[in-house]
Amino acid sequence: DAKTTQPNSMESNEEEPVHLPCNHSTISGTDYIHWYRQLPSQGPEYVIHGLTSNVNNRMASLAIAEDRKSSTLILHRATLRDAAVYYCILATYSGAGSYQLTFGKGTKLSVIP
Amino acid sequence: DGGITQSPKYLFRKEGQNVTLSCEQNLNHDAMYWYRQDPGQGLRLIYYSQIVNDFQKGDIAEGYSVSREKKESFPLTVTSAQKNPTAFYLCASRQGAGVINQPQHFGDGTRLSIL
Repeated sequence: DAKTTQPNSMESNEEEPVHLPCNHSTISGTDYIHWYRQLPSQGPEYVIHGLTSNVNNRMASLAIAEDRKSSTLILHRATLRDAAVYYCILATYSGAGSYQLTFGKGTKLSVIP
Repeated sequence: DGGITQSPKYLFRKEGQNVTLSCEQNLNHDAMYWYRQDPGQGLRLIYYSQIVNDFQKGDIAEGYSVSREKKESFPLTVTSAQKNPTAFYLCASRQGAGVINQPQHFGDGTRLSIL
């Protein structure tokens, strides 16, 4: 299974940018990089995804290294509502038209007021 | 609003009992998934279905069963063969089973405990 490596936890001050790193050295050419976040006792929420180019949406930005072996999720201005566990996931083609997400333990982000 | 509804939110199982977790979606999504999450861990895939009347085992299917008789519904049965069922169960759906660009949408989960 394609795997990712993330720090167990990170802290950020409120209203400052946050850079959440992810290593995925075994990524294959067809794997997409997805990010989800999860609040306690809730289901994960989709944040952003990309293949090769950097991506932006209303929630965050995704910076992908040129060799695709690492990526960084950027929250431009952390708020208290951004405190969650962030999962970096490879969406891997598993045959028969199916793509699977393999979740690791993620990074627990704490936001300090 | 469209979304995924899981019920019940909390469920208790007695020894030797089968229990069924409900998952309904009104997003008109083709693919549906069941995950298990243990405390402090990531999600692990139990079963998934790409179309009605078809489903495949995930990484930890033993002790679980599913059905997909309707596009909107994907119930999960935790059988008595699952010896350690206490966990947080999450259902997800995705549009276009064969399209990698679409994200998965998750329900709010069912927390199952053993009495």
